[in-house]
Amino acid sequence: DAKTTQPNSMESNEEEPVHLPCNHSTISGTDYIHWYRQLPSQGPEYVIHGLTSNVNNRMASLAIAEDRKSSTLILHRATLRDAAVYYCILNGNQFYFGTGTSLTVIP
Amino acid sequence: GAGVSQSPRYKVAKRGQDVALRCDPISGHVSLFWYQQALGQGPEFLTYFQNEAQLDKSGLPSDRFFAERPEGSVSTLKIQRTQQEDSAVYLCASSFFSQETQYFGPGTRLLVL
Repeated sequence: DAKTTQPNSMESNEEEPVHLPCNHSTISGTDYIHWYRQLPSQGPEYVIHGLTSNVNNRMASLAIAEDRKSSTLILHRATLRDAAVYYCILNGNQFYFGTGTSLTVIP
Repeated sequence: GAGVSQSPRYKVAKRGQDVALRCDPISGHVSLFWYQQALGQGPEFLTYFQNEAQLDKSGLPSDRFFAERPEGSVSTLKIQRTQQEDSAVYLCASSFFSQETQYFGPGTRLLVL
């Protein structure tokens, strides 16, 4: 199964945009790219997913590279409640989470 | 409707005890997943059910771990003869189908002393 690579941690100032990168160079043609986030002491929460085209929802935007070997989760205005670990996952029947990116939001 | 629920939320067991962790998925969800999350790590896949059929159990770390979903709804993860290395958060997730978005429960935090 294809794996993903993310930076261990990132910081952002409150109310500024945040771009969380993910590399998935071994992605297969049928793999969807999913993003989840996990707040402290909670289970992971779905954020967004896409296949080829960029996607937007009320939580975030997902920008997918043309070759699909990387993607970026965009939080347009970070709030303190966005502080969490963000996981980029390629789905199959198993979700390989990796260690994700721990996002710190600075007030 | 209600989300995925798990019980108990916390469990302390003495080494060697058997434990049973329960997961109530979202009603109508065909697929159910169990994950193990060690402190500071991402969730790691344990096993997957489609209805009552356990289609993948490749992530179960040893034969002390057993999962079932006899009626295709509620699932139980059983750990026999618990060891200290079993201490972790056990997460359950469900989805309509296997490659759809997964919805996670809050997890059961297991501490083996």
